[in-house]
Amino acid sequence: EVKLVESGGGLVQPGRSLKLSCAASGFSFNDYWMGWVRQAPGKGLEWIGEINQDSSTINYTPSLKDKFTISRDNAQNTLYLQMSKLGSEDTAIYYCARGSWGFDYWGQGVMVTVSS
Amino acid sequence: DIQMTQSPSFLSASVGERVTLSCKASQNINKYLDWYQQKLGEAPKLLIYNTNNLHTGIPSRFSGSGSGTDYTLTISSLQPEDVATYFCLQRNSWPLTFGSGTKLEIK
Repeated sequence: EVKLVESGGGLVQPGRSLKLSCAASGFSFNDYWMGWVRQAPGKGLEWIGEINQDSSTINYTPSLKDKFTISRDNAQNTLYLQMSKLGSEDTAIYYCARGSWGFDYWGQGVMVTVSS
Repeated sequence: DIQMTQSPSFLSASVGERVTLSCKASQNINKYLDWYQQKLGEAPKLLIYNTNNLHTGIPSRFSGSGSGTDYTLTISSLQPEDVATYFCLQRNSWPLTFGSGTKLEIK
């Protein structure tokens, strides 16, 4: 069974950094692109970015390119999202998703709240 | 960036009714268009990829069509469990972009 479990969320002060993890199981992690998507409270979905199998290609939505960094550890079957200079606009549920023909499997999401 | 415009924003329909949701891209996306369903409090779920391919386990009442800039998700006979918000996503070019969603309710 494909399973994606995000962790690392919580309450963080403005200007600080936070690193999210996404633990993958039930499939061959190093065969797939992986991505991050977020959803602000009551809003739609926003694609953050994605990384290919060997980390040689990483793409971001332009507005987040200088703040967020996507990485992966294929030995640990884990995807990461390093977030810096966080602001209230970054308050959202963050989802990791497997990239195949579409994002075919999603984690349950992790909440990040940016507030003083 | 490619802009994705979904319509309508809100739709109320009766059980058993045929429902059509639309997604329009600001430029040709070569059928690289997915549809996702998100129920309240849940993660999104892939319904259709590449315009008209049903994801594993998705009921056959869901179908997709389109080309160029105009795409459609059709539910042939609306069921109570279809209450959700539906998002389209273009994967033709980076950055990937979602539509703003259509919230579907039962009348």
